[in-house]
Amino acid sequence: DTAVSQTPKYLVTQMGNDKSIKCEQNLGHDTMYWYKQDSKKFLKIMFSYNNKELIINETVPNRFSPKSPDKAHLNLHINSLELGDSAVYFCASSPPRGEVTGELFFGEGSRLTVL
Amino acid sequence: KQEVTQIPAALSVPEGENLVLNCSFTDSAIYNLQWFRQDPGKGLTSLLLIQSSQREQTSGRLNASLDKSSGRSTLYIAASQPGDSATYLCAVKTGGFKTIFGAGTRLFVKA
Repeated sequence: DTAVSQTPKYLVTQMGNDKSIKCEQNLGHDTMYWYKQDSKKFLKIMFSYNNKELIINETVPNRFSPKSPDKAHLNLHINSLELGDSAVYFCASSPPRGEVTGELFFGEGSRLTVL
Repeated sequence: KQEVTQIPAALSVPEGENLVLNCSFTDSAIYNLQWFRQDPGKGLTSLLLIQSSQREQTSGRLNASLDKSSGRSTLYIAASQPGDSATYLCAVKTGGFKTIFGAGTRLFVKA
C-alpha cells in the first residue's frame, strides 16, 4: 500500500497551459507539503497545510495555488506554465506536532516538463 | 535563517569501504534531523531520524550522529556496497513546520 501517492508521475505540457498535480496520503497525518526539486536536485519547500489550513507559503509565484479538500489530500494547481516551472514536484506528509517523530514521508514525485 | 550544507558533494569509494557523509546546519534550534536516500528518478526514502534530544540512531549498517551545539550530523555507512550508490540528503526540521534540505552527497560505490 502506497503511503503518499502522487498523480501524474510524468507531465509534459506547453508553455501557457494550466495543470494540476494531486497528492493523497493514507498515513493519517495532519500535515502535508509540496516541495520542488530543480535541475540541480535541490529540494525547496513551497507550501505546507496542517489540517487543511495553509501554514507555510514560501516565496512562490501566485501562479501556483495549493488546495487541500481534506487532510488526506493536497493538490497543486499551476496556471500559465513557464519553462522555469520544469522540475520534479514532491508531496510529503508528517504526523501532527507533538507526536513522537515528526518524520517526513515522501511521494515518488511528479516530473513536470514545460516545452 | 537555517541553512544546511552537505560535504562532500560527491564521493566515489571501492566496495567494502567504510565512509562518512557530513551535514552541517547554522541554527542549533532544531526539532529533528532526518537522513534520506534518493535513487535517480525516484522519491526520497527515509533512512534515519534523530530527535533533537538524541545523539545518534542506528539501522543496520547505517549510523547517524547529531551534535546540536556544533551544528553537525554525520551519516556513517559501514562496509559499503554497490547498492548503496545514491544521493544522500540531510534535512533539518525547525521549530515551525519547515524542513530545510541540504544539496545532498552523491555516492558511488564501485564493485
